[in-house]
Amino acid sequence: QKEVEQNSGPLSVPEGAIASLNCTYSDRGSQSFFWYRQYSGKSPELIMSIYSNGDKEDGRFTAQLNKASQYVSLLIRDSQPSDSATYLCAVNIQGAQKLVFGQGTRLTINP
Amino acid sequence: DAGVTQSPTHLIKTRGQQVTLRCSPKSGHDTVSWYQQALGQGPQFIFQYYEEEERQRGNFPDRFSGHQFPNYSSELNVNALLLGDSALYLCASSLDLSGNTIYFGEGSWLTVV
Repeated sequence: QKEVEQNSGPLSVPEGAIASLNCTYSDRGSQSFFWYRQYSGKSPELIMSIYSNGDKEDGRFTAQLNKASQYVSLLIRDSQPSDSATYLCAVNIQGAQKLVFGQGTRLTINP
Repeated sequence: DAGVTQSPTHLIKTRGQQVTLRCSPKSGHDTVSWYQQALGQGPQFIFQYYEEEERQRGNFPDRFSGHQFPNYSSELNVNALLLGDSALYLCASSLDLSGNTIYFGEGSWLTVV
């Protein structure tokens, strides 16, 4: 089992709809979770971090964490074509002091 | 405030050669990590440097080595290059060793032919 798993997609969402990206992780003791956005040919950019169970909202982005289910998700409301990118889930595995990344989900917003 | 800077941005090397990649961390950051990102994959942790010492290492062979200088900048060296080393090499800096909240540079694209 991979430490961090994401559906590689591609995920296609119409403009203005909600895009939902999911991630599961294997280490039950993990405490810190991150979402990065990566445009084609560019480096990853941190867009959200979440440390506690529940929802965390930042503008059009909402991160959701459920530690009991070992599941973290990212919702993008009112999706825009500029949101088209690969979204990487990253988990700070307990005690590892490093980020472990999923393979990323490629999201396409269709005008 | 300069972010994480890396050089070179692109380079092509031949199998068996050696390469050195360079990184300057974000101002105020003293911890540098290196990641390898193959096409279509997420970044994979190579190693982390703090106080000029390697503190953490991922599952990479000894051909991958690094160094951190007193000004916190860092180098990644890869010897005896293989075709499979072709990837985007990302430097990330952070305020501490926790592994949280890292900021990436723009990366160095390495192609091995």
